[in-house]
Formats: sequence, structure tokens, C-alpha cells
Amino acid sequence: GENVEQHPSTLSVQEGDSAVIKCTYSDSASNYFPWYKQELGKGPQLIIDIRSNVGEKKDQRIAVTLNKTAKHFSLHITETQPEDSAVYFCAAASGGSYIPTFGRGTSLIVHP
Amino acid sequence: DVKVTQSSRYLVKRTGEKVFLECVQDMDHENMFWYRQDPGLGLRLIYFSYDVKMKEKGDIPEGYSVSREKKERFSLILESASTNQTSMYLCASQRETTGELFFGEGSRLTVL
Repeated sequence: GENVEQHPSTLSVQEGDSAVIKCTYSDSASNYFPWYKQELGKGPQLIIDIRSNVGEKKDQRIAVTLNKTAKHFSLHITETQPEDSAVYFCAAASGGSYIPTFGRGTSLIVHP
Repeated sequence: DVKVTQSSRYLVKRTGEKVFLECVQDMDHENMFWYRQDPGLGLRLIYFSYDVKMKEKGDIPEGYSVSREKKERFSLILESASTNQTSMYLCASQRETTGELFFGEGSRLTVL
């Protein structure tokens, strides 16, 4: 089955800096790559996703890139703010099933 | 807004007790999921369901069962709780057209 590796497990940045979280996946059939943000005491929430026919997608301060050849995808957050502090999960899913396999999560801390 | 409601936020049970975790969604989604979240291990899939009375094992189904008698309700059952089942349990429903998961706020179970 699919295996998703996520790094780093913890990321500490100063407000205004950029943050990058990287994931790799193993199943070349995967074609859907969502990112979820989990704030303290809440369930994860989708913040951005990318499909295999696209190399990059942006939404305001967040962007996701995908390299299908290398089986890498990354989340980029620019101009970080304290409210970006949360746990971020990457995931990969294939075909029409949309059953995602999650990475282990990255705890992002943004210091004011 | 999509709402996924987990009936209990916090539960404390004793070893050997039968435990029911209830989840209800209000968006008429076909697919529902139960995940377990542990520090450093991310989100691991226990069971999912494509339709009423349909269920599929995920990655860690041992010690768990599920019930889906109505489309909006998906229950996780621990037949005989053990201390290694102390964890956060997250329920989700899925928008089939996009793959997006909508999570509840989680049920934190402690087994003594």
C-alpha cells in the first residue's frame, strides 16, 4: 500500500518567515495530494490540495508543489503569522477511491 | 457548512468495557471514516464505509468494529477496551466529488 513520509516533525519559525513542509509518497498511482491543518482541540481541515495534472497551486500565502517523477510534494507558507501555528498533515490518494494515506504530521510554531 | 459531530469529546473507560463512539454527519455523504491519532504516528485509518451497511477495514482494524445502519451515522465499537486503545479518535465524512474530508472535533478516550 501507500506510504507517506513527512518532514520535519517540528518546525519553529519567526513571524514573517517562510515555512516549508515536505512529503514523499511511494505509490506511483497516487494522483491526489491534500494538505490538512489541525488547530489545537479541533479536527483537521483541508487547506489546499493538488492533483497530478498540476505542478503547483497557490492560494494567497500558501502554495503546494508536486514533482511526480521524484514522488515529492511540498507545502509552502509565506509571511507566516502566529495563527498559522498548528499541526499540518500531508496525504496521498489514488484513483477514484480517494482514500488518503496521511503523513505523521508537522507541528509548526510561529513565534511573534 | 458541513458538520460532523462526535457525541463524546472525552471518555474514561475501564479495561474490558465495551465502548461506543458515535459520529453523525449532515451532508448526505456516502463515505465515512474512523481514524486514530497518536503523537508521532499521524492519522491511521481504522475502518471506512462506502454506504449503509458497507464497511471496509483500514490499516489498523484489530480490536475495533463499526456499524453503519443509517447513512448519516457511523459508529466505532471497541468490544473489550484495552489500555493500548487510549487515543484520540477522529471521524470524517467525505465529499465524493472532490475527495475532501470533513472531520469531527475528535473523541479522546482513556482506558484505565
